[in-house]
Amino acid sequence: AQRVTQPEKLLSVFKGAPVELKCNYSYSGSPELFWYVQYSRQRLQLLLRHISRESIKGFTADLNKGETSFHLKKPFAQEEDSAMYYCALRQGFKTIFGAGTRLFVKA
Amino acid sequence: GAVVSQHPSRVICKSGTSVKIECRSLDFQATTMFWYRQFPKQSLMLMATSNEGSKATYEQGVEKDKFLINHASLTLSTLTVTSAHPEDSSFYICSASQGLGGGEQFFGPGTRLTVL
Repeated sequence: AQRVTQPEKLLSVFKGAPVELKCNYSYSGSPELFWYVQYSRQRLQLLLRHISRESIKGFTADLNKGETSFHLKKPFAQEEDSAMYYCALRQGFKTIFGAGTRLFVKA
Repeated sequence: GAVVSQHPSRVICKSGTSVKIECRSLDFQATTMFWYRQFPKQSLMLMATSNEGSKATYEQGVEKDKFLINHASLTLSTLTVTSAHPEDSSFYICSASQGLGGGEQFFGPGTRLTVL
């Protein structure tokens, strides 16, 4: 069955420290993976998608098919990065979300 | 970017009543709309996918007679929770995309339903 796993519910780092939010998936076909972010009191919004290979707000994510992972990384965390992050996999019309990781960046 | 609104943002109702939640795409035509449910501290669970003018496709375990979805126009989809019970209390979120499910999804702000 298709599944997205985010093993960490909460990740707390100091400002300026590197950040890695883990995401693993199980999918039999070629996955289309995304990271969504939800800032406090705001709606869910797309952060980045693997096919774009882009860096958004300093974040990058590389699809590793061998490890079935799509970890989100940022070399230097900022306080404004504090938010809820969801890894997601698209299967046809459906998007399957992970449980989410709350990132807290301390001053 | 594209904007999706939901109304109401919060609703409290008595057990046994029905509640309608609206989802509107404000500046684009949404060919496909999705309805999700989110329990506290849990992920979004897809309830159903609706394409404009056709019947919604419900996920396994979601009662289509209880959660009525109507996508009558390219800018409006409604979710009606019929005969609501306390266990239906949850956060309901809609999203919309321009393509037939393949385009970027834009999310609404969500509706908090509390059934007493």
